[in-house]
Amino acid sequence: QKEVEQDPGPLSVPEGAIVSLNCTYSNSAFQYFMWYRQYSRKGPELLMYTYSSGNKEDGRFTAQVDKSSKYISLFIRDSQPSDSATYLCASAPYGQNFVFGPGTRLSVLP
Amino acid sequence: DGGITQSPKYLFRKEGQNVTLSCEQNLNHDAMYWYRQDPGQGLRLIYYSQIVNDFQKGDIAEGYSVSREKKESFPLTVTSAQKNPTAFYLCASSNGISYEQYFGPGTRLTVT
Repeated sequence: QKEVEQDPGPLSVPEGAIVSLNCTYSNSAFQYFMWYRQYSRKGPELLMYTYSSGNKEDGRFTAQVDKSSKYISLFIRDSQPSDSATYLCASAPYGQNFVFGPGTRLSVLP
Repeated sequence: DGGITQSPKYLFRKEGQNVTLSCEQNLNHDAMYWYRQDPGQGLRLIYYSQIVNDFQKGDIAEGYSVSREKKESFPLTVTSAQKNPTAFYLCASSNGISYEQYFGPGTRLTVT
């Protein structure tokens, strides 16, 4: 079992939809979480960095962590065609390196 | 304008040649990282450094080498011992382990 898993997609949604992207992780010691957006052939762009359980909001993006079920989510409101990209999640225990998921490819259709 | 730069953007080499990828940051971050990205796989850690003149192997260090002589610079050498070097290489930096990481634009290496 991989430490961080994501459905690779592709996930296709119409413009304006609320998008839900999800990751599961296996290590109960994970307590730091990140979400990245990566356009094709570009470096990942940090969207959210969260610690422990709960929600964090930044503009159209909300990150949610449920440590009891080892489940992390990224919600995108009012999705735009420019949100079409691969979304990577990453998790880490305290003092250790992050483990990245394989990414979910999202396509927002105009 | 703070950030991470990687050069070159594309690199082509013949099998059996060593090649060095450049990574520079002006974010004043202590930690720097090298990852490899292959299609359908997550980022895999090659090497990381938490402080100048010190670095540690990541999960897939075989066939790679690094140096950290300056805080701003963390070059990666892909040696001829790396069995499958063709990949997208990403450099990142952070204030420390478990802190948020910022990535450079990447170098796409093709070895034929």
